[in-house]
Amino acid sequence: DGGITQSPKYLFRKEGQNVTLSCEQNLNHDAMYWYRQDPGQGLRLIYYSQIVNDFQKGDIAEGYSVSREKKESFPLTVTSAQKNPTAFYLCASTKGELLDEQYFGPGTRLTVT
Amino acid sequence: AQSVTQLGSHVSVSEGALVLLRCNYSSSVPPYLFWYVQYPNQGLQLLLKYTTGATLVKGINGFEAEFKKSETSFHLTKPSAHMSDAAEYFCACSGGYQKVTFGIGTKLQVIP
Repeated sequence: DGGITQSPKYLFRKEGQNVTLSCEQNLNHDAMYWYRQDPGQGLRLIYYSQIVNDFQKGDIAEGYSVSREKKESFPLTVTSAQKNPTAFYLCASTKGELLDEQYFGPGTRLTVT
Repeated sequence: AQSVTQLGSHVSVSEGALVLLRCNYSSSVPPYLFWYVQYPNQGLQLLLKYTTGATLVKGINGFEAEFKKSETSFHLTKPSAHMSDAAEYFCACSGGYQKVTFGIGTKLQVIP
């Protein structure tokens, strides 16, 4: 079955450490996205990529970095510069158009103490 | 710029009662509109979408939504709530060259 996988489901880190969240898709989609979800705030866009080797900042990119070396992979690094990294992180993809419906992964819950 | 407003962060209905979740949007171009559902600790799943054409859109699990341009609304309804409908629902809007914008979500509680 085609879909998006995110690993791990739960991740715990100490403050000051960088951490990388994995996102892989086998849908052959061109565009991929990272969102952060906090209670009562909906989904906020961190970064998105429409093609390999290219990505754009979203609304809350500070303290995060991404890479897109392969079409199927879009890892997100939460750096120590991110002030409040504890959150639920969702990866999504679309066929290519910004207007398309988004397919979501199951999410990674990151807790930083 | 575009925006999405979901009225009511929490909605409670009795099992078997009508479900109505409200969504209003603002967009300077003809919008594409979506409703997604999220179960606890899971990703979002598309319920239905409006792009062009028929303004009444039917989705999965018996949900439907009507696009009303004059009211800039895209409310989600289901005639009879089921316990399995308890989840969080997100309205979203995209249009032109704008990437999708999500509302803050509405948590639906179904009371037996």
